[in-house]
Amino acid sequence: DAGVIQSPRHEVTEMGQEVTLRCKPISGHDYLFWYRQTMMRGLELLIYFNNNVPIDDSGMPEDRFSAKMPNASFSTLKIQPSEPRDSAVYFCASSLIFYGRTGELFFGEGSRLTVL
Amino acid sequence: DAKTTQPPSMDCAEGRAANLPCNHSTISGNEYVYWYRQIHSQGPQYIIHGLKNNETNEMASLIITEDRKSSTLILPHATLRDTAVYYCIVRVKNTSGTYKYIFGTGTRLKVLA
Repeated sequence: DAGVIQSPRHEVTEMGQEVTLRCKPISGHDYLFWYRQTMMRGLELLIYFNNNVPIDDSGMPEDRFSAKMPNASFSTLKIQPSEPRDSAVYFCASSLIFYGRTGELFFGEGSRLTVL
Repeated sequence: DAKTTQPPSMDCAEGRAANLPCNHSTISGNEYVYWYRQIHSQGPQYIIHGLKNNETNEMASLIITEDRKSSTLILPHATLRDTAVYYCIVRVKNTSGTYKYIFGTGTRLKVLA
């Protein structure tokens, strides 16, 4: 298995620009999670999807953040406009949860975003 | 949502057992406890999970108290490569019937030579 694939691995942009982060979950997984990690706040759950449907976006910090999952193999997290305080590592994770399964979360390598 | 509390840091001598505690006093009866670790800025990696019984795998052991309010991750023979941040996580089931994973602040374990 290729694992969870995220792109880009690193992004440097200027304040006000649009940023799009991409994620390809593990094939067959029914859950997809977006997390943000900073030194100050640790790992925060931003939003998660079940069978491509957004379930809980209460962790999305502002309306500048949006996420989509148009199909089972692709998700995006968009920030528009970006601000310096959005600088963080963004992780995507996927999982397969049903009776008898461990429901283990598989993480991607993360996208490190720097907003100048 | 159940939340977890962990000590911010711990040291352990190489070759000795590392015992990492976690408090999850507000956990509900059907919520699992998971442990992950993160080395540098890599994505967190799964270690072990449990509901009520103690669990063991090739990486670690998980001891859950009878009242389920706390647990301990045991790395039986810590090596320098076990230096990492260890997260105790509760998997919460929502009223919608879906699940989410709530991360705590983690314990930074340093294994000393």
